Amino acid sequence: GNSVTQMEGPVTLSEEAFLTINCTYTATGYPSLFWYVQYPGEGLQLLLKATKADDKGSNKGFEATYRKETTSFHLEKGSVQVSDSAVYFCALSDRTSYDKVIFGPGTSLSVIP
Amino acid sequence: EAGVTQFPSHSVIEKGQTVTLRCDPISGHDNLYWYRRVMGKEIKFLLHFVKESKQDESGMPNNRFLAERTGGTYSTLKVQPAELEDSGVYFCASSRPGSGQTQYFGPGTRLLVL
Repeated sequence: GNSVTQMEGPVTLSEEAFLTINCTYTATGYPSLFWYVQYPGEGLQLLLKATKADDKGSNKGFEATYRKETTSFHLEKGSVQVSDSAVYFCALSDRTSYDKVIFGPGTSLSVIP
Repeated sequence: EAGVTQFPSHSVIEKGQTVTLRCDPISGHDNLYWYRRVMGKEIKFLLHFVKESKQDESGMPNNRFLAERTGGTYSTLKVQPAELEDSGVYFCASSRPGSGQTQYFGPGTRLLVL
């Protein structure tokens, strides 16, 4: 079945550091890929998405590229801020599974000044 | 437009009691999903409504959980009787009609069963 694996952390970075959170997936079909973010005390927000191979999703300085050959969707940001502290979830959905979202375990990120 | 809303935001109940969670999707979103994250584990799919019909309920853990969406608008998720292992965060999400649509999540209901 479909699944998502991501580095679990927690990850602690200094402000302005480079961020990479690795994510790989297993899927039988042609999934859409997502990064969701949960800020402290808030719900899940869609951060970015990509719907086909080689697509790059981007938002708020974060980027991720859909790599079919390596089944990966790594999240990157060139310079993190304290306000980026949150839990980040890599996820996929597949039309053959009625679009239900399969989540990775989440990566907790803390950015210190 | 208003986002997905969930009520209550928190609920603390004793084992054996009943709790009902409510989700109001974004207006016009035919698809409604329930998910949950039990303590320390991954967010897992529970079920999917298309309007008032259950499209997929393969993630429902057992018959203590009952979801409804009468009229195809808001949905309720009832847990009866609640057990300790039901503690966690219950998320609702909705999406526009059709397949392949992005899901928008609510803030979640934090349930604690003592």
